[in-house]
Amino acid sequence: GQNIDQPTEMTATEGAIVQINCTYQTSGFNGLFWYQQHAGEAPTFLSYNVLDGLEEKGRFSSFLSRSKGYSYLLLKELQMKDSASYLCAVRDPAAGNKLTFGGGTRVLVKP
Amino acid sequence: DTEVTQTPKHLVMGMTNKKSLKCEQHMGHRAMYWYKQKAKKPPELMFVYSYEKLSINESVPSRFSPECPNSSLLNLHLHALQPEDSALYLCASSQDRDSSGNTIYFGEGSWLTVV
Repeated sequence: GQNIDQPTEMTATEGAIVQINCTYQTSGFNGLFWYQQHAGEAPTFLSYNVLDGLEEKGRFSSFLSRSKGYSYLLLKELQMKDSASYLCAVRDPAAGNKLTFGGGTRVLVKP
Repeated sequence: DTEVTQTPKHLVMGMTNKKSLKCEQHMGHRAMYWYKQKAKKPPELMFVYSYEKLSINESVPSRFSPECPNSSLLNLHLHALQPEDSALYLCASSQDRDSSGNTIYFGEGSWLTVV
């Protein structure tokens, strides 16, 4: 089976840092993806991890520990436009390599 | 260019209607996907096409019928839908289905309302 967990909601202040955690239990693992989704819009790809460690892309970083089944997305220098849902998704080769999403974390950035 | 184009953006249909959602990509991707997303829920996989062949059907009711006419196009034919089928339907594509590191790119989605 597959189980992907992330917090439902987080609130942070403009200019601050927020860390969104994601834990997963899947039969297999072939990569973990983070997507951003604004209300009423399609998901937009943010980052991808398949090996342990930190991937940095501008204000966004993503970390993976395969042994712990754990990832986080770090958003730095928060801007109002970062208010969105953030979706953690795992590709599982034991499930046809389909991408399965966690429930998403709604981040609200306040002035 | 990482663009997946979906039409129509909005569709209202009656329960006896037949309609289709269309998706197109010109990135040379050989895997294409349909996802369904309800409000405040994550996308749920419906179908996966790999090299124009259906490879995954997530036990989707037969009132949804996918079609992949060629490597760039993916359709979702709709017939005798129910009001609970109202949702955002997302098309996506990736280079192929199985390679590690393949990013899945989503289209803007088609908002479907069944009345």
